[in-house]
Amino acid sequence: GESVGLHLPTLSVQEGDNSIINCAYSNSASDYFIWYKQESGKGPQFIIDIRSNMDKRQGQRVTVLLNKTVKHLSLQIAATQPGDSAVYFCAEKDTGRRALTFGSGTRLQVQP
Amino acid sequence: DTAVSQTPKYLVTQMGNDKSIKCEQNLGHDTMYWYKQDSKKFLKIMFSYNNKELIINETVPNRFSPKSPDKAHLNLHINSLELGDSAVYFCASSQSSDEQYFGPGTRLTVT
Repeated sequence: GESVGLHLPTLSVQEGDNSIINCAYSNSASDYFIWYKQESGKGPQFIIDIRSNMDKRQGQRVTVLLNKTVKHLSLQIAATQPGDSAVYFCAEKDTGRRALTFGSGTRLQVQP
Repeated sequence: DTAVSQTPKYLVTQMGNDKSIKCEQNLGHDTMYWYKQDSKKFLKIMFSYNNKELIINETVPNRFSPKSPDKAHLNLHINSLELGDSAVYFCASSQSSDEQYFGPGTRLTVT
């Protein structure tokens, strides 16, 4: 079936480095993509989103890149901080569906 | 000023019992959701309500019954609890089904 997945289950980076978390999706009808951050014991927290008519969107220290040709989504975090340590989820939605389909998550560990 | 709140945060109960989880959002959103997160952190949609009307009902056992008394509340009732129901349940809300705001979660443990 359709799925959203991540290449790396755990990513370990040094504080101050840039982090890149990747996500592959298979639903060609997906038109909306979103990244969430989930800290231990908390609910997912919105980071950034992007629609299929864009290929890049920037926020504060974060950038989302969308490559529709290869159905790939990435989240870039600049100058990673210890507070960025969490599990990151990508999710997608197509126009015919109201709910998000989540990927399996990547754990980001920031080493001081 | 909590946007999406859930009660209780922790719920420990025995197999066969019936329990409810409550959710409230004060964002004025028209759509609410229940997600289940398993032990491997995988998040999966269970139900969605739009203006008190059920619009998504995934392949969830009919022991699970959502109820929406108004568009700010979406409760989840579970009958005859089983060990496999142990998980973290998240409520979420959105306006126009894009960015969803999640509650803090309810950790259900069935013994």
